[in-house]
Amino acid sequence: SYELTQAPSVSVSPGQAASITCSGEKLGERFASWYQQKPGQSPVLVIYQDTKRPSGIAERFSGSNSGNTATLTISGTQAMDEADYYCQAWDSSTAVFGGGTKLTVL
Amino acid sequence: EVQLVETGGGLVQPGGSLTLSCAASGFTVSDHYMTWVRQAPGKGLEWVSIFYSADITYNADSVKGRFTISRDNSKNTLYLQMNSLRPEDTATYYCARVARSGWYFDSWGQGNLVTVSS
Repeated sequence: SYELTQAPSVSVSPGQAASITCSGEKLGERFASWYQQKPGQSPVLVIYQDTKRPSGIAERFSGSNSGNTATLTISGTQAMDEADYYCQAWDSSTAVFGGGTKLTVL
Repeated sequence: EVQLVETGGGLVQPGGSLTLSCAASGFTVSDHYMTWVRQAPGKGLEWVSIFYSADITYNADSVKGRFTISRDNSKNTLYLQMNSLRPEDTATYYCARVARSGWYFDSWGQGNLVTVSS
């Protein structure tokens, strides 16, 4: 079965750029999505189809996907961006999530 | 406004059954693929099941043969019938909508907790 791997945690200083990666075999040949989840809340879509941002999501969120790695980048990270982030892709007709990355803004 | 509301969770003994409902408003469920995702306490998201049509559904290996996803168009509601429940099924269960424009989950419910314990 297809697997997506994420680092458990990433730390960033306020105002700096944060990069969260997601690795999977030939992931660049699939579309990747990214979800933000804050404590006690439901996940929220922040990036879809590798690079697209839903309406209402801040411009500082961007994505890329090439080779075996998809990357979520948050430029000018703010305290409100502290959350868990999950990548997601499809394996045939079933969905796969990465293990999640806890972003700490300190 | 798109809204998904899950109900039906609670405490159940190992080996027991439970049915979750996901009532949709603001859109028609038959116009979208729909899915269930769960999250064990303190853990990450785990995809559970997806409904493409009455004849085409898929389950994760961890629930295959025990969980059944279904949809009632007249009630605009998605269901997850869970049988032979195990302690490791303890989780918050979310229903989510698959966007029509692509393969991603654009709306999520608030989640419903299922606890499997004696």
